[in-house]
Formats: sequence, structure tokens, C-alpha cells
Amino acid sequence: KQEVTQIPAALSVPEGENLVLNCSFTDSAIYNLQWFRQDPGKGLTSLLLIQSSQREQTSGRLNASLDKSSGRSTLYIAASQPGDSATYLCAPGTGGFKTIFGAGTRLFVKA
Amino acid sequence: EAQVTQNPRYLITVTGKKLTVTCSQNMNHEYMSWYRQDPGLGLRQIYYSMNVEVTDKGDVPEGYKVSRKEKRNFPLILESPSPNQTSLYFCASSLFRSSYNEQFFGPGTRLTVL
Repeated sequence: KQEVTQIPAALSVPEGENLVLNCSFTDSAIYNLQWFRQDPGKGLTSLLLIQSSQREQTSGRLNASLDKSSGRSTLYIAASQPGDSATYLCAPGTGGFKTIFGAGTRLFVKA
Repeated sequence: EAQVTQNPRYLITVTGKKLTVTCSQNMNHEYMSWYRQDPGLGLRQIYYSMNVEVTDKGDVPEGYKVSRKEKRNFPLILESPSPNQTSLYFCASSLFRSSYNEQFFGPGTRLTVL
């Protein structure tokens, strides 16, 4: 059964810092991996989708990489801003139709 | 506007009183899914549907029912709610279940069972 771990569980950084969020998964037979953002009490917003054949995807200040063989993905946020404060979740798309989410990384960016 | 909608957004009910949370998408998506989110446990999948009349259990299906009679709708039914079903519920959809299709989420339904 797929297990997803996100490290760190929480992170507090000053504005402007570059940071890396980590996601690891035990079953490398995935067909994609999606990163989401969730604001407190709100729904999930899709940030990036990496297909299994891709190594990385970029959107603005965000860059996500995928290393299937080692079961890892990272989300890189450049020049962090207070508006980036949220919980970030990763969800590898495993064979079949189930989705397993990581517990998330709570990010706080201080102005 | 392409979206996933859920109703109601907030619901307080009592133990044993049957309820339905509706989910609708306007993107002609084949795949739909329900999740619950609890502090310390994260998001867990309840049920999913690959297409009309095709549904299957996720990781935490006990106490829930679903149906998929139309492509756009995927209601979540709690026949006899209990306090341990107090949670934040999310519906999601994607075009297909494939490498290039991302999941889109609804705004959530906060359910409290007294």
C-alpha cells in the first residue's frame, strides 16, 4: 500500500527565502504526482502536476521535481512571500483509482 | 466557469439522521471521488467513481454510501451518521484517471454530528 511522507511537517521562514518541501512515497509505480496548496479551512488548489515521464514542472516561482526510482518529489518555492503561507500537500497517482495524500507541510512566511 | 460544487457547505446534524452531501462538476469529468480530512490524519479517500454506475471503496468507506447515476453528480450519503463522522469533506473530479489529468477539488463541506 502506498505511503506518503512529507518533510518537514511545519516550516517558518522570513520573507524572500528560497525553500524546499519534500515528499517521499513507497510505491514508485506512479503515473503522476500532484502538488496542492490548502489555505486554512479551505479547499485544495492544484499547483503543479508532474507526469511520470517528466522530471520537473515549473509555474512561476514554483518548481516541482520528480524522481520516481527513489520515490521522491520536491517542491521548490523561490523568493517566498507572506501570501505563500498555507499547507502544501503532495499526492502521487498510484495504479488503480485510489489517491493517497501526504499529511502536508505547514508553511508560514514572516513579513 | 469550470468548477466542482458541494452542498451544503456547513451542516450540523444529530446522530442517526440520514443526510446527503451533493457534489456536482460541470467539466464532463469521468472520475469523481470523495475525501474526508481530519486533524492529524490528513486527507483520506472514502469512495471513488470511474464513470456512471461504476463506484468503488477508498480507504475509509465504512458508514458511507455513494451513487453515480449521472456523470456530473456524485452524492455522498450518510445513512446513520455518528459523531466520528464529524469532519471536513471534499469532492474531487478529473477528466480521466491518467498521467496528464489533474484532480480538481470542491470547496469542502464541514459536517458536525452531535
